[in-house]
Amino acid sequence: DQQVKQNSPSLSVQEGRISILNCDYTNSMFDYFLWYKKYPAEGPTFLISISSIKDKNEDGRFTVFLNKSAKHLSLHIVPSQPGDSAVYFCAASGSGTYKYIFGTGTRLKVLA
Amino acid sequence: DTAVSQTPKYLVTQMGNDKSIKCEQNLGHDTMYWYKQDSKKFLKIMFSYNNKELIINETVPNRFSPKSPDKAHLNLHINSLELGDSAVYFCASSQGTTNYEQYFGPGTRLTVT
Repeated sequence: DQQVKQNSPSLSVQEGRISILNCDYTNSMFDYFLWYKKYPAEGPTFLISISSIKDKNEDGRFTVFLNKSAKHLSLHIVPSQPGDSAVYFCAASGSGTYKYIFGTGTRLKVLA
Repeated sequence: DTAVSQTPKYLVTQMGNDKSIKCEQNLGHDTMYWYKQDSKKFLKIMFSYNNKELIINETVPNRFSPKSPDKAHLNLHINSLELGDSAVYFCASSQGTTNYEQYFGPGTRLTVT
């Protein structure tokens, strides 16, 4: 039972445009969400997080939106750069569970 | 200056062997994790230690035994390796147990032949 889903395995975007990566979850107890970026042969790197008490969090070119009623979050990258080409994972956790459930990842390719 | 390091980076071994993967973090974190990323790219938690105490033990075969000699180290020992153990294993650490981002090591690619 995959509680965190990233239904788009891949996405291609032109440099300078917006990249939107989506993530859906099923467990209403999740209250903290994170996005990670992963380059080949490296470990995931933390990008941005959001608590369930917020619906938006911004950090430079990266913004995460949370829609609790839809159990959906998205990561916006504006403007997209070739160096953003990587696999992006969303992850979710619930209070007291001590663990994060990861999605299967979306491979973003930013075309120069 | 590597924050979370793992050794070895690659490990090729035969079925039935016993092997260990070491992990060290220099971030001063008190929580450490082992994740497994299988061929389908699922990243699944295996174990978590907080202040050297086991707090997460997912449904992992007991051939896998984590050991935390101190807060900065979390090693993974695997007995009687099987073909299905082939995967990339990631170590991670975080400042606390919930609502903290995790810092990952570079991964250890284990291939069992």
